[in-house]
Amino acid sequence: NAGVTQTPKFQVLKTGQSMTLQCAQDMNHNSMYWYRQDPGMGLRLIYYSASEGTTDKGEVPNGYNVSRLNKREFSLRLESAAPSQTSVYFCASRAAQQPQHFGDGTRLSIL
Amino acid sequence: AQSVTQLDSQVPVFEEAPVELRCNYSSSVSVYLFWYVQYPNQGLQLLLKYLSGSTLVESINGFEAEFNKSQTSFHLRKPSVHISDTAEYFCAVRCGGTSYGKLTFGQGTILTVHP
Repeated sequence: NAGVTQTPKFQVLKTGQSMTLQCAQDMNHNSMYWYRQDPGMGLRLIYYSASEGTTDKGEVPNGYNVSRLNKREFSLRLESAAPSQTSVYFCASRAAQQPQHFGDGTRLSIL
Repeated sequence: AQSVTQLDSQVPVFEEAPVELRCNYSSSVSVYLFWYVQYPNQGLQLLLKYLSGSTLVESINGFEAEFNKSQTSFHLRKPSVHISDTAEYFCAVRCGGTSYGKLTFGQGTILTVHP
């Protein structure tokens, strides 16, 4: 029962480096989401994919890109990391009319 | 656009005391409401949800929340907390219609249960 799997769990980058965060779900869910969590701000939606082949911007998309590689996988890319992108990143997936299921997060520090 | 406000950033309580975590939302359309719990260094787990029907919803571990449309609130309560309830709690709202399941979260409330 893997659910939503995120890799890596931890990462430290230097400013300007690029990085792809991976997310995979084995529940055959159509929709997938990327959030960032910052202290006192809750979770904010970066990008989402309502179904395979589609992606859309969320609340805070600047500095990020996403790829819905197939139904299982939804990756988040930072092309040129900035210290303001230091955060905990969560991937989630959902079947129609059901709540979202979350991964355990990727803790990303940018120096 | 919808928004969620959790009125308390931190709530300290003693074990076996009652607790209420407050959540208010704003939305111009129908909503679905959720409470998620996050234990240290873990992801979010669904605690309970309101989709339709009875306005009082319960979780398996003794939490309950009541949807109050007139007050636009969805407060979380537990009559007697346990040390293991120490965690951060997030209220979230999803709008009806073609929202693609997107959630808007509150800022979170850290519940600390002291012995």
